Amino acid sequence: DGGITQSPKYLFRKEGQNVTLSCEQNLNHDAMYWYRQDPGQGLRLIYYSQIVNDFQKGDIAEGYSVSREKKESFPLTVTSAQKNPTAFYLCASSIAGTKNIQYFGAGTRLSVL
Amino acid sequence: AQSVSQHNHHVILSEAASLELGCNYSYGGTVNLFWYVQYPGQHLQLLLKYFSGDPLVKGIKGFEAEFIKSKFSFNLRKPSVQWSDTAEYFCAVNNNAGNMLTFGGGTRLMVKP
Repeated sequence: DGGITQSPKYLFRKEGQNVTLSCEQNLNHDAMYWYRQDPGQGLRLIYYSQIVNDFQKGDIAEGYSVSREKKESFPLTVTSAQKNPTAFYLCASSIAGTKNIQYFGAGTRLSVL
Repeated sequence: AQSVSQHNHHVILSEAASLELGCNYSYGGTVNLFWYVQYPGQHLQLLLKYFSGDPLVKGIKGFEAEFIKSKFSFNLRKPSVQWSDTAEYFCAVNNNAGNMLTFGGGTRLMVKP
C-alpha cells in the first residue's frame, strides 16, 4: 500500500522537551516537505528536502530541525526553542520538478502539556 | 515573495447550491496552480491543477477552476454542491522556479443537507 505514513497521530510535549515526528514514504519520491497547519493560516512550509543529505529552511524554520539520511524518511524535531508548537503537522512528498504534485500524510497533532 | 489569498474563510451552503471559492495570488511570472481538499479526518488531496493550456480545468467530483491571468485569480467552482463536499479547501501556487508550494489560508465549506 503506497503512501506517506506519519507517526504518531497525536503527540504531547512537555516544557523544555524536544519531540520528533516521523514521516516515511514508499513512493520513491525525491522531494519531501514539512508543513505546519494552524486554523485560518493554511499550510506554512517549515523545511523541505529535494535530495538525500540536503535540506533547506522554509518560511517558519525557527525552532525546528530535520534530517534526510534516507530517501524514504524525513523526521522533524520540534525543539524547546519553538515557543508555540501546538499545531497540526503535515508531511508531503513529490517527484522533483516544478510541475510536481505533492502527496500528503495524515498528519500529527502536537499539543503542549 | 509570492502570496495566496482566499477571501472566504467560512462558507455555508445548502445542497444543490452553486459554489465559487475565490483564490488570488501575487506573482507576476509563470505559475502553476492547485486546489487541494481536506475532507474531515482524511488526508489533504489534490482536487485539480493548472499548468498551461485551456484556462478552464476540470477536477474530481465535478469541480472546476478557471485561471484568469489578468486578475491573478484561480477560482474554484461547482454548479451543485452535495453534503459530501463539506471540507476545507486550499488554493496553492508555485512559481515555476522551484517546487515549493505557497498555500492560501483555506476555506471551510459546510453543506447543509
